[in-house]
Amino acid sequence: KAGVTQTPRYLIKTRGQQVTLSCSPISGHRSVSWYQQTPGQGLQFLFEYFSETQRNKGNFPGRFSGRQFSNSRSEMNVSTLELGDSALYLCASRSHPEGQETQYFGPGTRLLVL
Amino acid sequence: DQQVKQNSPSLSVQEGRISILNCDYTNSMFDYFLWYKKYPAEGPTFLISISSIKDKNEDGRFTVFLNKSAKHLSLHIVPSQPGDSAVYFCAAGGGTYKYIFGTGTRLKVLA
Repeated sequence: KAGVTQTPRYLIKTRGQQVTLSCSPISGHRSVSWYQQTPGQGLQFLFEYFSETQRNKGNFPGRFSGRQFSNSRSEMNVSTLELGDSALYLCASRSHPEGQETQYFGPGTRLLVL
Repeated sequence: DQQVKQNSPSLSVQEGRISILNCDYTNSMFDYFLWYKKYPAEGPTFLISISSIKDKNEDGRFTVFLNKSAKHLSLHIVPSQPGDSAVYFCAAGGGTYKYIFGTGTRLKVLA
């Protein structure tokens, strides 16, 4: 079974631009979560989608948004990029968002904002 | 407010010895806990999990202990190997709760 895939793997943008990141979950997994990892901050939860609906949301500004498609693939969008948005963005999938379901992570997208 | 804490940012252990990584949480509603290992430029890899109905779970060289009354869990790696050198994250969640991650502990196993 293929793992979680994320595209692109690396991205360089400038302040003010917007970016869209993509995540394909493990086949059969319908829940997708997004995290931001920066040095010293661990993994900060952005949001979780299940059946095309946002189920949970972290404490990030409205510039961060996401969506999920009917095939469970998810995209994350960041508008009006700031230097502080430079981070590793990780996507994780699990069967569904309830119960004791282990999450599995993709390799991440490294975003650099100049 | 950090609900999941890993108070040791780094740990060095001699090869063959035991590595003990600690994690504390504050929310008593958490009922499922996971440990992940992360190498640079890669996503976290799932290691081992434990449900709140257990106090110990073992998988090869990795054992996770859960002390619910103290809201504390620990990961033991025995024996430690150089390939175990990585950043380790604990996560707490379960039910309808999203997973909350700690800030990670960087383990260095010295040959």
